[in-house]
Amino acid sequence: QLQLQESGPGLVKPSETLSLTCTVSGGSISSSSYYWGWIRQPPGKGLEWIGSMYYSGSTYYNPSLKSRVTISVDTSKNHFSLRLSSVTAADTAVYYCARHGISTVVAYKWFDPWGQGTLVTVSS
Amino acid sequence: QSALTQPASVSGSPGQSITISCTGTSSDVGGYNYVSWYQRHPGKAPKLMIYDVSNRPSGVSNRFSGSKSGNTASLTISGLQAEDEADYYCSSYTTSSTLVVFGGGTKLTVL
Repeated sequence: QLQLQESGPGLVKPSETLSLTCTVSGGSISSSSYYWGWIRQPPGKGLEWIGSMYYSGSTYYNPSLKSRVTISVDTSKNHFSLRLSSVTAADTAVYYCARHGISTVVAYKWFDPWGQGTLVTVSS
Repeated sequence: QSALTQPASVSGSPGQSITISCTGTSSDVGGYNYVSWYQRHPGKAPKLMIYDVSNRPSGVSNRFSGSKSGNTASLTISGLQAEDEADYYCSSYTTSSTLVVFGGGTKLTVL
């Protein structure tokens, strides 16, 4: 059974870079037909897709975050990572990683499964 | 403000049926059959319940069903059970540059 688990610091200072890793177990991150994505939920707000990456390097990013986001994949470690630069208090959120399903027609169909999520607080 | 509109809360008694709506536009919900629904219990990973408007992943109870009419998608839960109490989110592919849009979430309370 495919499982995803986020890891990384729970506290990041303003203006610094948030870095998280999602470790995939029970399956290969190099599987064809799937992207690997990050989604977040600020306190009291809705879900927001951050971006997704294919194991070969192709990426999709939310335009609202694109200038600050980098997603990378390490197939040897079967994990993928998120870096979000120049963070502010508005980036405080629960961050989720998930497998991102696509089709030959559109670049998004669903996210499944998801990790449990990790709370990242931006504060000095 | 989320791109897709959901009611903030719905409630129902055990055994009853409830429906959660998800309203978008012709650029997302109305234009494509790529609506998905997620269930999230507090502190747990969100779970895919419905994809492609009305398909259930393996292992999801047939008490959960999805449909769409125009720009509004719906999730119906029949035979409500206490374990169904959770937050539910809809999502859709969109032709906007965002690619993915979510609803604001609906809290289901089983009375």
